Amino acid sequence: DVKVTQSSRYLVKRTGEKVFLECVQDMDHENMFWYRQDPGLGLRLIYFSYDVKMKEKGDIPEGYSVSREKKERFSLILESASTNQTSMYLCASSSTGPTNEKLFFGSGTQLSVL
Amino acid sequence: GESVGLHLPTLSVQEGDNSIINCAYSNSASDYFIWYKQESGKGPQFIIDIRSNMDKRQGQRVTVLLNKTVKHLSLQIAATQPGDSAVYFCAENAGSSNTGKLIFGQGTTLQVKP
Repeated sequence: DVKVTQSSRYLVKRTGEKVFLECVQDMDHENMFWYRQDPGLGLRLIYFSYDVKMKEKGDIPEGYSVSREKKERFSLILESASTNQTSMYLCASSSTGPTNEKLFFGSGTQLSVL
Repeated sequence: GESVGLHLPTLSVQEGDNSIINCAYSNSASDYFIWYKQESGKGPQFIIDIRSNMDKRQGQRVTVLLNKTVKHLSLQIAATQPGDSAVYFCAENAGSSNTGKLIFGQGTTLQVKP
């Protein structure tokens, strides 16, 4: 089975801090995604990547950046955390080809910015 | 704009009954749809998917129905069990079949009464 691992289950940070959320997948998937999940808003796409060193903006990229230096690892970076970035962050991966829309998700990181 | 929505935020059913969770989508270009289940404290897990060239697809205790005429998707769970209690999300690819991107609905919470 595909395993997508997010490094932290809970994080508490202060406003203005630089925050790194790490995600690793073990199935050699080309595609990786970062979503945030908020009550009443569902899952919204922040950034995604099709390959190493490639990145594409999703629907809500403002205030975020990403890094993909290795195929298995996709990092989400909050350059200067703000309270409105308190949320559940979900990482996902998928393969290319006919099943590329079938995303496999990690367990999520609940980030609180105080 | 594009949206994927669920008709009811919460659905309560008796254990053993069948559950039907509904989803409406607005993008006629969508040709792939997927249902996820999210239990408390976990990331979304794949349940079943369907392509637009099909009207129905069955899995283990679950059936997805697609009505392209009215842009409606439903998930049917047979003999609902307490372990089925979770939030259920539908998602569509909005015609982006070569990107792996999905647009998610807000989710329906399924409560199973013993």
